[in-house]
Amino acid sequence: AQSVTQLDSQVPVFEEAPVELRCNYSSSVSVYLFWYVQYPNQGLQLLLKYLSGSTLVESINGFEAEFNKSQTSFHLRKPSVHISDTAEYFCALNTNAGKSTFGDGTTLTVKP
Amino acid sequence: DTGVSQNPRHKITKRGQNVTFRCDPISEHNRLYWYRQTLGQGPEFLTYFQNEAQLEKSRLLSDRFSAERPKGSFSTLEIQRTEQGDSAMYLCASSSRRRGQGTEAFFGQGTRLTVV
Repeated sequence: AQSVTQLDSQVPVFEEAPVELRCNYSSSVSVYLFWYVQYPNQGLQLLLKYLSGSTLVESINGFEAEFNKSQTSFHLRKPSVHISDTAEYFCALNTNAGKSTFGDGTTLTVKP
Repeated sequence: DTGVSQNPRHKITKRGQNVTFRCDPISEHNRLYWYRQTLGQGPEFLTYFQNEAQLEKSRLLSDRFSAERPKGSFSTLEIQRTEQGDSAMYLCASSSRRRGQGTEAFFGQGTRLTVV
């Protein structure tokens, strides 16, 4: 069985400050890892993904995440956040079976 | 093709009524998934199809729930005799299965069901 734990349910941060959203996973098989962002009453948008290769992955809007197999983590970071980054963020994994297992989400609130 | 499409976006129904949701996946994707998301939680897997075959169903999918994917194209999720606990966002996703490669799922905007 697989599981995903997002260690912080809420992260408040001031604009232009750095942020880290933590994600740990558990799996007995190889995994593929994802971060999704969700705005109110919207579906999930893929932010970034780790499928193979370089363990550091980046998104087009400045987020990055690093796959750490030994620590079973896939933390999301951004060096300087904007008001528009306020949203719910979900860490997810899937295996070759295809279905995704999600964490319970982290609400990022960026304050001016 | 603009992505995964779900209809309706919102549905309000009275307890005991039946409801049906539709999902149109990305056209070349052979896998289709249904998830349920309640307030404050991440999406929970309900079921998935590879082409027209329903390959797995979660224990969350009680006998009041049924999903179909005729001809391996669009899918429907029906809930019979709705209960207030069925109120949630129902998300559909699709992916293209390639052997030995990670599978990235693309999500629709969801159908928000409110049972009153």
